Amino acid sequence: KAGVTQTPRYLIKTRGQQVTLSCSPISGHRSVSWYQQTPGQGLQFLFEYFSETQRNKGNFPGRFSGRQFSNSRSEMNVSTLELGDSALYLCASTSQPAGAVDTQYFGPGTRLTVL
Amino acid sequence: QKEVEQNSGPLSVPEGAIASLNCTYSDRGSQSFFWYRQYSGKSPELIMFIYSNGDKEDGRFTAQLNKASQYVSLLIRDSQPSDSATYLCAVSGAGGTSYGKLTFGQGTILTVHP
Repeated sequence: KAGVTQTPRYLIKTRGQQVTLSCSPISGHRSVSWYQQTPGQGLQFLFEYFSETQRNKGNFPGRFSGRQFSNSRSEMNVSTLELGDSALYLCASTSQPAGAVDTQYFGPGTRLTVL
Repeated sequence: QKEVEQNSGPLSVPEGAIASLNCTYSDRGSQSFFWYRQYSGKSPELIMFIYSNGDKEDGRFTAQLNKASQYVSLLIRDSQPSDSATYLCAVSGAGGTSYGKLTFGQGTILTVHP
């Protein structure tokens, strides 16, 4: 089974621009979570989508948004980029099995650099 | 107090030794506990999870959970240089505001030297 894929892998933007990142989960997985990883803050939860609905959201400003499509693919968008948004953005998918432990499998990440 | 704390590193062990990685968490409602390994420049890779008190073994790895003490650990036996990486402890809650959310510790850098 193919793993989680993320595109693009690397991105360079300038302050004030916006960016859209894409994530395709493992086939059959319906839940997609997004995380931001920085050296100072570590891995922080952004939001989670399941069946096209955002079920959970972390403590990030409204500039960070996302959506999920009917095929479970997900996108996240960051508007009005700031220097501090430079980070590795990771998505993870899980199958949400009933009565079992949800294990999240991470994609390779998108390295965003804001200049 | 951070929600998930890991023992400060970096941790250096000789090849063949046992590496012990520790993690404490603050939310007593936490349900499941995960250990991920992250090589430099790569994404986190799941090593194992545990949700019941006690030990869980998988090859050279043993996870230990003590919910009363809010403590989870990972032992790596017969450590190899290829085990050198950052180890991340992650905790999940039970539904509701915990949907799809893992809370991570800051990570412990492990170096296994030949």
